[in-house]
Amino acid sequence: DGGITQSPKYLFRKEGQNVTLSCEQNLNHDAMYWYRQDPGQGLRLIYYSQIVNDFQKGDIAEGYSVSREKKESFPLTVTSAQKNPTAFYLCASSIDWTGANTEAFFGQGTRLTVV
Amino acid sequence: AQSVTQLGSHVSVSEGALVLLRCNYSSSVPPYLFWYVQYPNQGLQLLLKYTTGATLVKGINGFEAEFKKSETSFHLTKPSAHMSDAAEYFCAVKNDMRFGAGTRLTVKP
Repeated sequence: DGGITQSPKYLFRKEGQNVTLSCEQNLNHDAMYWYRQDPGQGLRLIYYSQIVNDFQKGDIAEGYSVSREKKESFPLTVTSAQKNPTAFYLCASSIDWTGANTEAFFGQGTRLTVV
Repeated sequence: AQSVTQLGSHVSVSEGALVLLRCNYSSSVPPYLFWYVQYPNQGLQLLLKYTTGATLVKGINGFEAEFKKSETSFHLTKPSAHMSDAAEYFCAVKNDMRFGAGTRLTVKP
């Protein structure tokens, strides 16, 4: 079945540690996105990638890093520089960046808790 | 630049009542607009989208939305709410993939 997979579903991290969230898609989509969701604040765009080997900062990129070495994969690293990393993280993909059919397909999310 | 504004962070209706969730957009070009639904601890799924053509768009689960260019609006409606409609709803505009702040829908028995 085609889809977008995030792992793990729950993640605990000690303060000061970097952690990487996985996002894999087998939909052959060019564009991929990372969002952070906090209660009452909706979805905020962290990073996006329009095509492999390219990515751009979103609205809240500080303390995060990404890579897009393969079309299928867009991992997000939460670094120790992120002051308040506890949140629900959502990965999404779309066929492309510019076409009309750019609806996003979402993973099930990773809930990160800093302990 | 494009952005969306969802009016009302929380909407409560009785079962069987009309559901109306509001979304206004700002865009310098004709927009493509989307509504998504999110159930607790899950990702978002597409309800419906407007690209071109007919301005009244029908989606899944009995929802529909009407694109009104003169009002820069894309409000989501459903004639009769079900308990299973309780969720968070997000409006989004294409090309920058920014979402509105979301509206939590509560359905009372």
